[in-house]
Amino acid sequence: SQQGEEDPQALSIQEGENATMNCSYKTSINNLQWYRQNSGRGLVHLILIRSNEREKHSGRLRVTLDTSKKSSSLLITASRAADTASYFCATSPTGGGNKLTFGTGTQLKVEL
Amino acid sequence: DTAVSQTPKYLVTQMGNDKSIKCEQNLGHDTMYWYKQDSKKFLKIMFSYNNKELIINETVPNRFSPKSPDKAHLNLHINSLELGDSAVYFCASSLTGSSGNTIYFGEGSWLTVV
Repeated sequence: SQQGEEDPQALSIQEGENATMNCSYKTSINNLQWYRQNSGRGLVHLILIRSNEREKHSGRLRVTLDTSKKSSSLLITASRAADTASYFCATSPTGGGNKLTFGTGTQLKVEL
Repeated sequence: DTAVSQTPKYLVTQMGNDKSIKCEQNLGHDTMYWYKQDSKKFLKIMFSYNNKELIINETVPNRFSPKSPDKAHLNLHINSLELGDSAVYFCASSLTGSSGNTIYFGEGSWLTVV
């Protein structure tokens, strides 16, 4: 299986609800990054959390990191239709420079 | 004012042809990358260059040859294109750092081999 697996693979919610996506990984890391990809578009960086951090916020985004469980979660609060996209976690391994290993992605659909 | 720009965005070509994708970043970064995204949206690193030097070369056929004329450019040349090369190719860049830094991606180049 892959380093970085998101769960769920697909998530459908109503506008205004919160969306939570989880990411698990296997090796020790320097940092973990979350990206968004709209259909047919490039990757947009959302947030980076370092291995010595437990939680970070950016606007409506909240990311947690539990290195003991090798897992991270991305919470989007008060979701909007414009949040509809695929979300990927990516890990930068300890001693591995900046070589990102991506997860399989969560496809989020926010309905009006 | 695009940070990481790559061209062309769409490319349709026949099997056996040779094609190039160009990438430029204006962020002042010293490390650039090529990633490949397959039809299932799985992203995998292909190459990484730091100050024009190759530092990561994953198991990629030698038909793929990256070239970095300077640290702001990393082009990808593909020889003898095959159907399986159809994918989205993303260029990216970052600063070097021991604990890793944010990697910024371009908009992608959609390659279709027919």
